[in-house]
Amino acid sequence: ILNVEQSPQSLHVQEGDSTNFTCSFPSSNFYALHWYRWETAKSPEALFVMTLNGDEKKKGRISATLNTKEGYSYLYIKGSQPEDSATYLCARGGATNKLIFGTGTLLAVQP
Amino acid sequence: EPEVTQTPSHQVTQMGQEVILRCVPISNHLYFYWYRQILGQKVEFLVSFYNNEISEKSEIFDDQFSVERPDGSNFTLKIRSTKLEDSAMYFCASSESGRRGKETQYFGPGTRLLVL
Repeated sequence: ILNVEQSPQSLHVQEGDSTNFTCSFPSSNFYALHWYRWETAKSPEALFVMTLNGDEKKKGRISATLNTKEGYSYLYIKGSQPEDSATYLCARGGATNKLIFGTGTLLAVQP
Repeated sequence: EPEVTQTPSHQVTQMGQEVILRCVPISNHLYFYWYRQILGQKVEFLVSFYNNEISEKSEIFDDQFSVERPDGSNFTLKIRSTKLEDSAMYFCASSESGRRGKETQYFGPGTRLLVL
């Protein structure tokens, strides 16, 4: 069984703060790491798919890094805005196409 | 922008009843998936489907569950005899191809199923 863990479980920040959270996963037989942003009552939105050790990806104020040797990925949000409030999910992709998800980090950005 | 749609958004049913959850994947996608999230737990994989057959299924996906692509656009999940523990948010997803876990999967908004 492949265990994907995320921390913290929840995070409250003020508008304008920068923040980051962690996804950890077993490093053996690594194929890909996916990040999703999920707002209540909406579809989880794909942010990044990361495959190579040292990968850094960016989408607006959100960026992510990947370390496959030690089995972790960081997601960063620069200058958080209230509209960034959501649950951020990471998922490990393996040899088959199924995704194995972490528990998510719930981010609340207060104006 | 193309999106995955799911109906209904909410379904309440009695234990033992059959339910069918419906999904319309993105039109040029070839791989289809069902996941679910029981309240307070992780999103978990149920089944993947390609070329009109199941590619992989989890231990959860027992004989009570079935999937079908009846008409080239819809993708359905049927639960034959629902149990209380089937109460969850069910997500459909699709991807253009299946590059060994590297392909982006696009998710629908989910169907919240409540079994009483």
